[in-house]
Amino acid sequence: QVVLTQSPSASASLEASVKVTCTLSSGHSTYAIAWHQQQPEKAPRYLMKVNSDGSHNKGDGIPDRFSGSSSGAERYLTISSLQSEDEATYYCQTWGTGPLIFGGGTKLTVL
Amino acid sequence: QVQLVESGGGVVQPGRSLTLSCAASGFTFTTYGMHWVRQAPGKGLEWVAFISYNGYTKYHADSVRGRFTLSRDNSKNTLLLQMNSLKPEDTAVYFCARDGITYDSGRYYIDQWGQGTLVTVSS
Repeated sequence: QVVLTQSPSASASLEASVKVTCTLSSGHSTYAIAWHQQQPEKAPRYLMKVNSDGSHNKGDGIPDRFSGSSSGAERYLTISSLQSEDEATYYCQTWGTGPLIFGGGTKLTVL
Repeated sequence: QVQLVESGGGVVQPGRSLTLSCAASGFTFTTYGMHWVRQAPGKGLEWVAFISYNGYTKYHADSVRGRFTLSRDNSKNTLLLQMNSLKPEDTAVYFCARDGITYDSGRYYIDQWGQGTLVTVSS
């Protein structure tokens, strides 16, 4: 079964850029993933789907500051021109023949 | 716009039952598979169950299989989660969520989330 690994925390300064990483377990490097944002005390929000070739499909209303990319077994979420409202936990999620799988989440702090 | 509104959460004793509802609007409910995802206090997201667009295919997480039952009423745009034999470890916010693929019985990615309803299992 596929496992998604994320760093527990990340930080970057206001107006800077940050790249959040989600790593697929061995043998699953071709899987697509989805990124979700969860601001404090709110429901998650779908950001985008990222394919193994780096192409991505964003959800409605997601700002251009958010983009996705891929390299091997890694899937990335890049946020540019960081805003205070980007402070949140970011989860990656994938799927296969079994249950939907979520990564442990990366808590992003905007300094 | 797409709306998923959960209801039915509350405090329940261990071993008792509870039914959650999710009212969907703003999209063609009958063409999308639907999920329940939960989040225990201070924890990450855990997928609970899925039902296909036509209700014919269902999948449940190992942690709830045999206790939770998912159903949908396509005439009322409503998703239901019947939870039996509840345990303290079932305490969580339960989110209704839409699958991103239409007319498919597989589970893929979530592209819409509800606001969640809190279930607390405690004596």
